[in-house]
Amino acid sequence: GQQVMQIPQYQHVQEGEDFTTYCNSSTTLSNIQWYKQRPGGHPVFLIQLVKSGEVKKQKRLTFQFGEAKKNSSLHITATQTTDVGTYFCAGPGDSNYQLIWGAGTKLIIKP
Amino acid sequence: GAVVSQHPSRVICKSGTSVKIECRSLDFQATTMFWYRQFPKQSLMLMATSNEGSKATYEQGVEKDKFLINHASLTLSTLTVTSAHPEDSSFYICSARLPGQLSYEQYFGPGTRLTVT
Repeated sequence: GQQVMQIPQYQHVQEGEDFTTYCNSSTTLSNIQWYKQRPGGHPVFLIQLVKSGEVKKQKRLTFQFGEAKKNSSLHITATQTTDVGTYFCAGPGDSNYQLIWGAGTKLIIKP
Repeated sequence: GAVVSQHPSRVICKSGTSVKIECRSLDFQATTMFWYRQFPKQSLMLMATSNEGSKATYEQGVEKDKFLINHASLTLSTLTVTSAHPEDSSFYICSARLPGQLSYEQYFGPGTRLTVT
């Protein structure tokens, strides 16, 4: 079945360092979405990418969709404590606007 | 806009009892809602897709007689965990889509943490 693979599972960074998480799909995706889940919270939609090679920015966050529409990345520049949480990518499922979720990458700021 | 609420936020119940979790779209009508389960430090596992006025579609491996879903109105879907057991303890989250929306964006409720003793 469809799978969306996401790495790494965890990333420990010093505050001010950059953070990147990667998603890969075995099949071409019509779109890919990114969500953020704070500790103890629920997923919150960040962005949807649709076009091949698309790059979108939200302040310090940069989202990319690969040319083949099989991979995507989220890069955070100069991380801050407010960035802590788990970042999930999600691609379309088989039907009814379902989403297939990546495993998530947990951003941890080193004390 | 697009606010989803969930009730209760936490519930503790005894093994063998049933628990109902409500998911409401507060400022929009949701023809489709999704129910997820999330284990600690893991991703979201889709349990079922709830469609207003029709039977829910369950994912493979999810027992429909154990996890009863009712989407009786455009703003309310309920998940009832019947004859709960300790292994049903988990974080249950619902989400909804805006009607007529072309994107796959989902709006999530705050989740319900179920503990079965």
